[in-house]
Amino acid sequence: EIQLQESGPGLVKPSQSLSLTCSVTGYTITSGYDWSWIRKFPGNKMEWMGYISYSGSTNYNPSLKSRISITRDTSKNQFFLQLNSVTTEDTATYYCARSRYYYDGYYHVGWFAYWGQGTLVTVSS
Amino acid sequence: EIVLTQSPTTMAASPGEKVTLTCRASSSVSYMHWYQQRSGTSPKLWIYETSKLASGVPNRFSGSGSGTSYSLTINSMETEDAATYYCQQGSSYPWTFGGGTKLELK
Repeated sequence: EIQLQESGPGLVKPSQSLSLTCSVTGYTITSGYDWSWIRKFPGNKMEWMGYISYSGSTNYNPSLKSRISITRDTSKNQFFLQLNSVTTEDTATYYCARSRYYYDGYYHVGWFAYWGQGTLVTVSS
Repeated sequence: EIVLTQSPTTMAASPGEKVTLTCRASSSVSYMHWYQQRSGTSPKLWIYETSKLASGVPNRFSGSGSGTSYSLTINSMETEDAATYYCQQGSSYPWTFGGGTKLELK
């Protein structure tokens, strides 16, 4: 059974970088699928941040494009989120997830099949 | 970016009551997907490709819709269905979520 687990600091100072790790068990991240980061803000708004594919390519939400980087360590079956120049507005619960995506020639279809438990990151001085 | 608007924002239903949650997209999407999030837990895939139930989802749940209007229906509300439900589109990047409907037990 696939499991995803986020880890990282729960408190980050404004202007610093936020770094999180997603450890995956039960599936090898280079075997298939896209591996995403999603965050949920206080008040319930959710935002897809970006993904790294099984081949190593990345795709980011344009709203974050200048600040975000998603990388991986295939030897540890982990992928990572780095978000630079954080502000208090980046305070959120951060989730990693495995996406399912396909294009059948007519439609693009994608959803998040498996999620980690989430980790709360607070940006505060 | 496709904006998803869910309604109502909050609602309460009695056991046995039929419930319908709505999600409207600012542009046409091919499918809609739904997640259930109970308090203190992570979101779970609930319905995908508009009408397919994820593994373990009771068959009192159903999904329907097309274009810009989609819905999730609970045929007969049960205690365990109290949660927040989110819709999500994966037709166009960036993938986006609705603001959620909090469903409470009356």
